[in-house]
Amino acid sequence: SAVISQKPSRDICQRGTSLTIQCQVDSQVTMMFWYRQQPGQSLTLIATANQGSEATYESGFVIDKFPISRPNLTFSTLTVSNMSPEDSSIYLCSGREYNEQFFGPGTRLTVL
Amino acid sequence: RKEVEQDPGPFNVPEGATVAFNCTYSNSASQSFFWYRQDCRKEPKLLMSVYSSGNEDGRFTAQLNRASQYISLLIRDSKLSDSATYLCVVLGRDSGAGSYQLTFGKGTKLSVIP
Repeated sequence: SAVISQKPSRDICQRGTSLTIQCQVDSQVTMMFWYRQQPGQSLTLIATANQGSEATYESGFVIDKFPISRPNLTFSTLTVSNMSPEDSSIYLCSGREYNEQFFGPGTRLTVL
Repeated sequence: RKEVEQDPGPFNVPEGATVAFNCTYSNSASQSFFWYRQDCRKEPKLLMSVYSSGNEDGRFTAQLNRASQYISLLIRDSKLSDSATYLCVVLGRDSGAGSYQLTFGKGTKLSVIP
């Protein structure tokens, strides 16, 4: 399967600031997603990153808080805006090709 | 809301033991089924897909019962390296027009003890 890299791998941020996470796939993938995994919890889908158009957000997630870009089939960004301590989590980029879905190493975000 | 429920765990087993994980899912229209493995502070990685006829990959056997909406994973001859959290994952969609999405269980933590 394709390999996904994410930057940064971790960050500690002040409340009220924003952080943009980059996701790079080493090959073109049809679908890309952003997930959140809070401590002790499973993965929750934030949104599907659509190439060349607005992302499709899941219930409870909005574009103003989590703007997403996907300019091509190998790259996407997720911004966590106006952060609060409740946004502290691991954010994972994911790609799907055919019936296989794979994940980046995650970005560990701590908001103080 | 479509859900995937797993054994709460944690499972602490000695090396060489056989351990079984169970999982149920609520979306009867689910299309595909998987077990993922997640090591501590790492991303989930696909362990194996689960087919209706059941499938085996070395020491790992997965079973699916669509009528009962039940999935299982059996690990034989447990190794220390099997220690991880095992996630039951289901691919389906909430509505007829929606896209297919993965729904994750909360995972069952396995610790294999020397």
